Amino acid sequence: KAGVTQTPRYLIKTRGQQVTLSCSPISGHRSVSWYQQTPGQGLQFLFEYFSETQRNKGNFPGRFSGRQFSNSRSEMNVSTLELGDSALYLCASSWRDRTFNEQFFGPGTRLTVL
Amino acid sequence: TQLLEQSPQFLSIQEGENLTVYCNSSSVFSSLQWYRQEPGEGPVLLVTVVTGGEVKKLKRLTFQFGDARKDSSLHITAAQPGDTGLYLCAGAGQAGTALIFGKGTTLSVSS
Repeated sequence: KAGVTQTPRYLIKTRGQQVTLSCSPISGHRSVSWYQQTPGQGLQFLFEYFSETQRNKGNFPGRFSGRQFSNSRSEMNVSTLELGDSALYLCASSWRDRTFNEQFFGPGTRLTVL
Repeated sequence: TQLLEQSPQFLSIQEGENLTVYCNSSSVFSSLQWYRQEPGEGPVLLVTVVTGGEVKKLKRLTFQFGDARKDSSLHITAAQPGDTGLYLCAGAGQAGTALIFGKGTTLSVSS
């Protein structure tokens, strides 16, 4: 079974630009969660989508948004990029309601904001 | 706000040594998960513990869930260089809520 895939793997942007990251979950998984990982703050939860609806949201500004499509694929958008947005963005999928929300992570997208 | 604190933050040991990583909270969790993350990759689930006092073994790794379901530990016996990585614990609260992750323990095992 194919794992979670994320595109692109690396991205360099400048302040003020916007960026869209993509995630394809494991086949059959209906829940997709996004996380931001930095050395100082660790793994921080951004939001979770389940069946195209946002189910949970972390404590991030409105510049961070996401959506999920009918095939469970998800996108995350960050507008008006700031230097502090430089991080590894991880996507994870799960069965959600069948298990203890065990997360299957993709390899991440490394975003650098200059 | 539920928080998970992991200790130590960094651990550097020699091959063959034993070590224990701790994950503590003042909150009760319905289950607790441990992940390992290697450089350039996403975290990979190692184990889920559900019952208070539960002990699970995965080869040289032993995971324990506290009796009160507020804490957990990961013990590695005879560490090997392949154990190097970032170890993360994550707690599941009420049904439908997001997982809470600790900040992780970075383990380096040298030969």
